[in-house]
Amino acid sequence: AQTVTQSQPEMSVQEAETVTLSCTYDTSESDYYLFWYKQPPSRQMILVIRQEAYKQQNATENRFSVNFQKAAKSFSLKISDSQLGDAAMYFCAYRSVWDSNYQLIWGAGTKLIIKP
Amino acid sequence: GAGVSQSPSNKVTEKGKDVELRCDPISGHTALYWYRQSLGQGLEFLIYFQGNSAPDKSGLPSDRFSAERTGGSVSTLTIQRTQQEDSAVYLCASSLAVSGGPADTQYFGPGTRLTVL
Repeated sequence: AQTVTQSQPEMSVQEAETVTLSCTYDTSESDYYLFWYKQPPSRQMILVIRQEAYKQQNATENRFSVNFQKAAKSFSLKISDSQLGDAAMYFCAYRSVWDSNYQLIWGAGTKLIIKP
Repeated sequence: GAGVSQSPSNKVTEKGKDVELRCDPISGHTALYWYRQSLGQGLEFLIYFQGNSAPDKSGLPSDRFSAERTGGSVSTLTIQRTQQEDSAVYLCASSLAVSGGPADTQYFGPGTRLTVL
């Protein structure tokens, strides 16, 4: 079974600086999808970025980018120019290409604190 | 357009009572998912609906949990004889498709916080 591990329960960063959140996963599959979701206090999960495992190029979305290391099974999220609105829980998630129910498998989350 | 909506936002109940949680997916989305988020943890898959196919109930933790989806749209998650360990946030998500690619991205509702006293 696949697992996702986020080893940082909490991270803090000064506003306007850069922070990297770590995620590792375990799988025997070669094709899969990886996601970073953000959960602010409103509880609603918001997709931040998505990566297909067959793509070697790292996904980027404005100030958010990932460092996808397939061999190392690592998928870290870099947030540049941190803003107060980035404060939230961040979850890393894995989705198998082969699972018939398309469920997302989640890490335990990292709480990101932005210091003004 | 409107996102995924869930009701109620919060629900407090007494141990042993039944509760119903509702999810309205994004219009046109064929797939619907229920997840449970316990305090300080990631999400746990509960059940998956795709179109008119039989749901995948493999994540339901016990036979006290059931869900239905009427007319391929609104879904209700029912928990019978609630226990204190059922206290959690219940999140619903929907996706346009499940075929791979951006169309299968799951969009989430704000969740229902269930507290069992």
